[in-house]
Formats: sequence, structure tokens, C-alpha cells
Amino acid sequence: ETGVTQTPRHLVMGMTNKKSLKCEQHLGHNAMYWYKQSAKKPLELMFVYNFKEQTENNSVPSRFSPECPNSSHLFLHLHTLQPEDSALYLCASSQEVGRGNTEAFFGQGTRLTVV
Amino acid sequence: AQRVTQPEKLLSVFKGAPVELKCNYSYSGSPELFWYVQYSRQRLQLLLRHISRESIKGFTADLNKGETSFHLKKPFAQEEDSAMYYCAPQISQGGSEKLVFGKGTKLTVNP
Repeated sequence: ETGVTQTPRHLVMGMTNKKSLKCEQHLGHNAMYWYKQSAKKPLELMFVYNFKEQTENNSVPSRFSPECPNSSHLFLHLHTLQPEDSALYLCASSQEVGRGNTEAFFGQGTRLTVV
Repeated sequence: AQRVTQPEKLLSVFKGAPVELKCNYSYSGSPELFWYVQYSRQRLQLLLRHISRESIKGFTADLNKGETSFHLKKPFAQEEDSAMYYCAPQISQGGSEKLVFGKGTKLTVNP
């Protein structure tokens, strides 16, 4: 499949669970992003990876741990989350950070519910 | 404070009417400016970018540097324009660039 694919689409987890969100892109991009979309709040950038190197951590709590093994894959490892972490988590990719004016392509998102 | 503001959370117009979705930003420098759109049950996608000076699906956006605004306009709205619209400056910070999104405006075009 072309574009940006996120799995799973929906996830319900307990506060003591450990789970991972996966993002995959087949667009040949070198930059990948995690965004959080909560109700009544704007899209919040969480992490940025450029050529597999993390270039931005937007003061995200350590219970969220990103991993970028290669330019095509991005993971978000979750552990001991709180109910307020329930949100839509969006992955995006672009050609690379620093080129400016590059379009970001988004996945469909993972709807996370922490119970 | 640096931010992007979309003052209208909801906007409702009738088909054929003009529509304007407002966006104001307060970032230093000259950020690149984008509008993203999310149609029902679809993913967030680029609508248009300022630098291209393009018109997409009849929409245009004019940059007013004096007012730091980048309002999105369409002279004759269509029902299929109903969607969430996000204004997104791309800012440079600490050697990195990132898209910063407004809260979005939900546009409903009524028949």
C-alpha cells in the first residue's frame, strides 16, 4: 500500500499495559512525525525523526517512547499511560526536515483509549 | 506568545455562498504557510500552500504580512467542501522545522 499506514486503527489499553503503535510509509520520505490530537485541542507535535535521527522531542512524557529503525518505519511505545493520554495519534512523513515548504502526508491515525 | 489562531470553531454557509476561513499567526520570521483539510472519514491532507500561489478546488489563500493573516477563501462553496480545515505555519526552531496546527474550523455547506 502506498502512503502512510498506521496500525492498529483502534487500541484500548489498561494503565499498566505496554503496547506499541506502528507507522509505515512507502513514499521514500526521510522525515517522520508523531502528532497527538486530543478533543478540543489542536494537533500537537510529539516527535520528529529525520534520517532515523530524532530531531525533536516536544516535552513528551517518558511513558511515550519513539523508535525509528529505518526511514520507512516509526513506532511509538506506550507504557503506564494515563486516561488523559486517550487521543488520536497521527503519524506523518515528509521528504526531509530542513528543506522547507514540504508537504506532510498523514496516516489515518490510531484511536487510543486508556482505561 | 507564538501561536496560530483560527477564531471560528464552526462555520456554516449555504451552497453557492462565499466562504472565508480565518487564520492569524504570530511567529517571528516568515514561516511557510499551509492549509490542511480533513474530509469525513479521510485522512488529513494538504489543501494548498502559500508559496505555490495555487488555487485548489476553487480555494485560494492570501498572505497579509501586515496583519499576519492567511485566510482561506472560496467564492462559491459546494457541499463537498464540508470538512475540517487547519491552518498550519511551518516554523523553524532550533535547526528543525515543524508544522504547527491551529485548532481547526469545521465548515458545513448546506444545500
